[in-house]
Amino acid sequence: NAGVMQNPRHLVRRRGQEARLRCSPMKGHSHVYWYRQLPEEGLKFMVYLQKENIIDESGMPKERFSAEFPKEGPSILRIQQVVRGDSAAYFCASTNNRGKNIQYFGAGTRLSVL
Amino acid sequence: KNEVEQSPQNLTAQEGEFITINCSYSVGISALHWLQQHPGGGIVSLFMLSSGKKKHGRLIATINIQEKHSSLHITASHPRDSAVYICAVPGGGSQGNLIFGKGTKLSVKP
Repeated sequence: NAGVMQNPRHLVRRRGQEARLRCSPMKGHSHVYWYRQLPEEGLKFMVYLQKENIIDESGMPKERFSAEFPKEGPSILRIQQVVRGDSAAYFCASTNNRGKNIQYFGAGTRLSVL
Repeated sequence: KNEVEQSPQNLTAQEGEFITINCSYSVGISALHWLQQHPGGGIVSLFMLSSGKKKHGRLIATINIQEKHSSLHITASHPRDSAVYICAVPGGGSQGNLIFGKGTKLSVKP
């Protein structure tokens, strides 16, 4: 029973490039949360998705960031035209019942923008 | 919006010591989470509790809903317990997203 899978584990991009981060939730989980951890800072909520729907994106920057969770396949966090300030660890977590159960975290993707 | 405060920020202990990490929050909640972030960066959920006490091995979590306070205890600490311990509470509404404390960095010396 695989846990939450994130890939890649490490991603290096130059300023202006696009970054795509993938998250496959635990089997049977249909709720996915994305969180960002900036260097030396705590985790911050970005977006909450269910299959094919964005439920809450109040933590997402208004520009350059988007997320999706298609009917088939992993959830994708996409960052366009990356800047150095996007360098961070991005974690996704999944659960089978929003707000009521433990969230299971992936190992994270560490994005470095050169 | 809930504010989450953890103390201490850093903690160094000798192997075998009893450890206590504290978490306070400002707005009433339905449940509180304790997480462990390993030196390699991975995050593990330790507990989710809404009242009383939960125990798992050498880890004990307690919560006082009226006081808006939770503690995480580690008995007979070991160097492998060295990690950052994070408490988190629901962000409000019914969406289930979490608001996190800044974490307590624990270092257990042999």
